[in-house]
Amino acid sequence: NAGVTQTPKFQVLKTGQSMTLQCAQDMNHNSMYWYRQDPGMGLRLIYYSASEGTTDKGEVPNGYNVSRLNKREFSLRLESAAPSQTSVYFCASSEDEGLLAKNIQYFGAGTRLSVL
Amino acid sequence: AQSVTQLGSHVSVSEGALVLLRCNYSSSVPPYLFWYVQYPNQGLQLLLKYTTGATLVKGINGFEAEFKKSETSFHLTKPSAHMSDAAEYFCAVSAALYGGATNKLIFGTGTLLAVQP
Repeated sequence: NAGVTQTPKFQVLKTGQSMTLQCAQDMNHNSMYWYRQDPGMGLRLIYYSASEGTTDKGEVPNGYNVSRLNKREFSLRLESAAPSQTSVYFCASSEDEGLLAKNIQYFGAGTRLSVL
Repeated sequence: AQSVTQLGSHVSVSEGALVLLRCNYSSSVPPYLFWYVQYPNQGLQLLLKYTTGATLVKGINGFEAEFKKSETSFHLTKPSAHMSDAAEYFCAVSAALYGGATNKLIFGTGTLLAVQP
């Protein structure tokens, strides 16, 4: 059972380069999320998608775009990378059918991104 | 608005000692509360959660947490630390949601637990 899969695991970019982080889940979850994790700041929500075809901004969306390609996949794009975007990026998913027992987010292993 | 405060970015205990990681929350609506654990170079895993009902919640690996509404706290405890408990622990809060709304989590800044032999 793969759960949430993120690719790549590591990436080094030069300032101004673009790249897309990929995320796929095999749990048939409705909602998907992108977070960034920085030392001393916990996880901050970048974008989320409540269902296929919908996306919304989170706490720190500037410099990022997302695409909910289908129910399984949710990608994060950096159009012009900046050193401030050096971080660890996590994708997560949750079922979110309004049932108490299912409001749990499942996380991928992360993508470690360095922007030089 | 909701927020989470974790007191102590680093906690060190001896193997076999009590583990106590503190979490206080702020929420204008009934909260859902979560503890996640992150082992080195891995994603976050759910330890336990509180939604409604019993205020003492038991999770995996012997951890438990108690929801105290009067103190707006959800501290994580384990009676006896093991070396394998060394990890970073995150407290998170979300609003009680209905009708299939998205469950957005607000995370604390994390507490790194070190276990000394």
